[in-house]
Amino acid sequence: NAGVTQTPKFQVLKTGQSMTLQCAQDMNHEYMSWYRQDPGMGLRLIHYSVGAGITDQGEVPNGYNVSRSTTEDFPLRLLSAAPSQTSVYFCASSYSREPGNTIYFGEGSWLTVV
Amino acid sequence: AQSVAQPEDQVNVAEGNPLTVKCTYSVSGNPYLFWYVQYPNRGLQFLLKYITGDNLVKGSYGFEAEFNKSQTSFHLKKPSALVSDSALYFCAVSSAWVYNTDKLIFGTGTRLQVFP
Repeated sequence: NAGVTQTPKFQVLKTGQSMTLQCAQDMNHEYMSWYRQDPGMGLRLIHYSVGAGITDQGEVPNGYNVSRSTTEDFPLRLLSAAPSQTSVYFCASSYSREPGNTIYFGEGSWLTVV
Repeated sequence: AQSVAQPEDQVNVAEGNPLTVKCTYSVSGNPYLFWYVQYPNRGLQFLLKYITGDNLVKGSYGFEAEFNKSQTSFHLKKPSALVSDSALYFCAVSSAWVYNTDKLIFGTGTRLQVFP
């Protein structure tokens, strides 16, 4: 059972470039989300999805786009990369959006924008 | 607004000694509390959670946490620390479902360093 799988693990982008971080889960979870982790700030929610075809904004959505065409996949797109988007990105999933459900995280994607 | 505080950036403890990583929270309604651990260059791994019931929750790798409603705390504990416990620990809280605000609020993390 792979759990939550993210690719790539490491990426360097130039300012203005676009890219997509891939995320897939094989646990048939309805709820998926993207977080970014920055030193001293914990994890902040970027976007989330409560099921296929449904997405919504989190705490820090600007500069990012998501889609959820299938239950399994939840890619995160950086539209025009900026140095402020240098961060570690985590995809996560849980059985449902109900707050008591455990959220499971991927291994992370380290992104540097130069 | 929901919030979580981890007052210590780093906790140092000798191997074999008991360890405590502190967490306090503020939410409206009943809290759902979580602890996660992050090893270097890895994702967050779930350790334990409190939803309801017994205030002492046991989790993975010998960790436990005590929910204290009056002090709004959820401290992580282990009776005997191992060097391999050295990692970054995150406390997180969520509360009753409210549309568009259902999210897990994370603390800023506490780095645990266990010395041989």
